[in-house]
Amino acid sequence: AQSVAQPEDQVNVAEGNPLTVKCTYSVSGNPYLFWYVQYPNRGLQFLLKYITGDNLVKGSYGFEAEFNKSQTSFHLKKPSALVSDSALYFCAVRDRLLDNQGGKLIFGQGTELSVKP
Amino acid sequence: NAGVTQTPKFQVLKTGQSMTLQCAQDMNHEYMSWYRQDPGMGLRLIHYSVGAGITDQGEVPNGYNVSRSTTEDFPLRLLSAAPSQTSVYFCAISRLGEGGNEQFFGPGTRLTVL
Repeated sequence: AQSVAQPEDQVNVAEGNPLTVKCTYSVSGNPYLFWYVQYPNRGLQFLLKYITGDNLVKGSYGFEAEFNKSQTSFHLKKPSALVSDSALYFCAVRDRLLDNQGGKLIFGQGTELSVKP
Repeated sequence: NAGVTQTPKFQVLKTGQSMTLQCAQDMNHEYMSWYRQDPGMGLRLIHYSVGAGITDQGEVPNGYNVSRSTTEDFPLRLLSAAPSQTSVYFCAISRLGEGGNEQFFGPGTRLTVL
């Protein structure tokens, strides 16, 4: 069965410091991996994805994520946090073996990122 | 190009009432889905559709019905609302094909069942 774990409910970072939001996954086949961000009272916005190739993926707003197959992780990172990065972040996975089910994604429970000035 | 639209934005129901949450898209994407978002539980898939006339159940389908008569619309029906259905509901769409396609989300409907 597919599953995603985000072990931290909340991450607190000072502005200008690097940030990491952790994600680990479990799928029976090879994964597609995604990060989404949700600002208050808004829908989810796509940040970045890993499909294949380079393990370091770059996305919107200066975010990047590193795919680590041996650790089954896909941590989200940013070298220098901004107050405006404060939001709820979701990791999601889709098993390639289920491609015939279209866009079906499994989401983690979310991590609240708080960046203080 | 509005992307994904959802109506209403807010709704309060009494237990036992019925209602339909609307989702419409203008991106011609084959895949449409409904999620509910509850604190500490992430997003859970209710129902999904890979094209007009085709629907299937997700993780938490009980108490909800869907239909897909057109590519553009994917309404979610609550036949007899229960307090446990108080949640924020999101519609999401994506292209089919190679599985790396990301999903696009609507702005959500906040539903309260009293």
